[in-house]
Amino acid sequence: GAVVSQHPSWVICKSGTSVKIECRSLDFQATTMFWYRQFPKQSLMLMATSNEGSKATYEQGVEKDKFLINHASLTLSTLTVTSAHPEDSSFYICSASVDSFTQETQYFGPGTRLLVL
Amino acid sequence: QKEVEQDPGPLSVPEGAIVSLNCTYSNSAFQYFMWYRQYSRKGPELLMYTYSSGNKEDGRFTAQVDKSSKYISLFIRDSQPSDSATYLCAMEAAGNKLTFGGGTRVLVKP
Repeated sequence: GAVVSQHPSWVICKSGTSVKIECRSLDFQATTMFWYRQFPKQSLMLMATSNEGSKATYEQGVEKDKFLINHASLTLSTLTVTSAHPEDSSFYICSASVDSFTQETQYFGPGTRLLVL
Repeated sequence: QKEVEQDPGPLSVPEGAIVSLNCTYSNSAFQYFMWYRQYSRKGPELLMYTYSSGNKEDGRFTAQVDKSSKYISLFIRDSQPSDSATYLCAMEAAGNKLTFGGGTRVLVKP
């Protein structure tokens, strides 16, 4: 149980276009989902926290107008990278938590590799 | 100073050896401690989760927490080439986000 999927697994796009990444909890309902970014040989950096039905909370330095997050249901959150540029190329990973008060049990998706040309 | 410090490695060991990993932290509010394994180009996989000082064992893995020293460890016994990966420690204060260490690359040579 506790499987989180992401789609697509990798995407290549042209500079200036927008890319949407989906994160789904397959066998449980996630009240809270998290979006992370990971650059090569670096650790995961939290971008934002999203709760179903409410606006996402962004970490300092993350542009909310560039990284649009929608958590429309208890099993789906989406991250849209708007007007992508080469510096946005990274590995984007989502995680899902069952209980927003005990976030230690985060289950991670397999990640989405984004390459912006 | 980072909240969580972790030696990046790489740590190279022969097959069958014990792998010893550790992290130090500065935030005394951290209450939950986790170890994740991440293979290249994959998402992190939870290995161990602890919340109290002491040892916790699960198969070949032993997690150790010393809150007084703000130090956590992960030991992998009888290491296998399939254990070659990056190991991330992560910590959480109650009701808050995870803070990750930088990760340690481990290579187990056959």
